[in-house]
Amino acid sequence: AQSVTQLGSHVSVSEGALVLLRCNYSSSVPPYLFWYVQYPNQGLQLLLKYTTGATLVKGINGFEAEFKKSETSFHLTKPSAHMSDAAEYFCGLRGADGLTFGKGTHLIIQP
Amino acid sequence: EAGVVQSPRYKIIEKKQPVAFWCNPISGHNTLYWYRQNLGQGPELLIRYENEEAVDDSQLPKDRFSAERLKGVDSTLKIQPAELGDSAVYLCASSVYLLGGTGELFFGEGSRLTVL
Repeated sequence: AQSVTQLGSHVSVSEGALVLLRCNYSSSVPPYLFWYVQYPNQGLQLLLKYTTGATLVKGINGFEAEFKKSETSFHLTKPSAHMSDAAEYFCGLRGADGLTFGKGTHLIIQP
Repeated sequence: EAGVVQSPRYKIIEKKQPVAFWCNPISGHNTLYWYRQNLGQGPELLIRYENEEAVDDSQLPKDRFSAERLKGVDSTLKIQPAELGDSAVYLCASSVYLLGGTGELFFGEGSRLTVL
């Protein structure tokens, strides 16, 4: 069975500081990993995805994530947080039946 | 390109009443998903369609939930009768099949259900 664990249901950072959202996965096959963002009362929007190839993946809005097989991790980072980054972030693991999501991390940006 | 369209965006009903949600996927996307998202949780898959066929409905509570995807395009998710615990956001997503299953899912804005 595959699963996704997001460490930290809430993360608070100051505007301009580094953003780090953690995601660990469990999969018996090579994983396809995704990060989605959800703004209040909206659906999920794709930030970036890893399938094969380069382990450092760049996405929209200045976010990037690094796939580390040895650590079964796919952490999301952004060098400098902006107020508009405040949202819910979900890590997802692609399987045959769709995406399995973590419980999400609520990112709070302090002015 | 139009995205995934869902309606209604919000619905408030009394318990034991029926409710239905509609989804129009992105044109050309053969795979359609219904997810349920409880407050403070990640989305959980209810049912997946490949064209008209429901290929994974193991998480759908079949005693009160039903879904259909006529002609392999639009889909409807129905709850009858609704219970208090059904209050959630119901998300529809669609994707194109890519070899290896790497296709991303595109989500609609969701239908927020409140059962009183």
